[in-house]
Amino acid sequence: SQQGEEDPQALSIQEGENATMNCSYKTSINNLQWYRQNSGRGLVHLILIRSNEREKHSGRLRVTLDTSKKSSSLLITASRAADTASYFCATHAGGFKTIFGAGTRLFVKA
Amino acid sequence: GAGVSQSPSNKVTEKGKDVELRCDPISGHTALYWYRQSLGQGLEFLIYFQGNSAPDKSGLPSDRFSAERTGGSVSTLTIQRTQQEDSAVYLCASSLDRTGGLAAFFGQGTRLTVV
Repeated sequence: SQQGEEDPQALSIQEGENATMNCSYKTSINNLQWYRQNSGRGLVHLILIRSNEREKHSGRLRVTLDTSKKSSSLLITASRAADTASYFCATHAGGFKTIFGAGTRLFVKA
Repeated sequence: GAGVSQSPSNKVTEKGKDVELRCDPISGHTALYWYRQSLGQGLEFLIYFQGNSAPDKSGLPSDRFSAERTGGSVSTLTIQRTQQEDSAVYLCASSLDRTGGLAAFFGQGTRLTVV
């Protein structure tokens, strides 16, 4: 079964608004990563947050991690039409596998 | 090359035929993953290679699927006797990390269509 589960499955917002996506997972993790995918092809790594971190920023991205609730959120501030993509969380729980969730499809309307 | 390269980018094959998908990872990356993504779905882990260690094949869906990694670099995913449910995008990723926990760099994938 999937380790990471994102919600919402789909999100439609206006340009300039903030977009928040959530990820829940089942087991203890070493780190959690967020990736972006355009047009169903290759994924691009956005940000990694370790299990001992609570918040991390990268440009317009803000990621939080709550290990007690086994959840993470990705916030994109001041969204742009170019942010339209699918966003996936991925967890690494030791061993070799990085497990991906089903993703959130974000649509930013110009 | 500068990134992970996969070939072919698209493959249409008849049901029952064998296919080979190729992945050239980033030079020096010891870790290599294969994932499968069906339309509108998340990524399904298939197999993981790390250096000279035995690969983690736990995600391969059936014995029709196999993968090799020669010389610690190029990898080939082979699907024998393809079925329509094998239709998906097959994504390869590589990473520097020895423990599987660092950022992975993805290729653009091979879109496989079995007709």
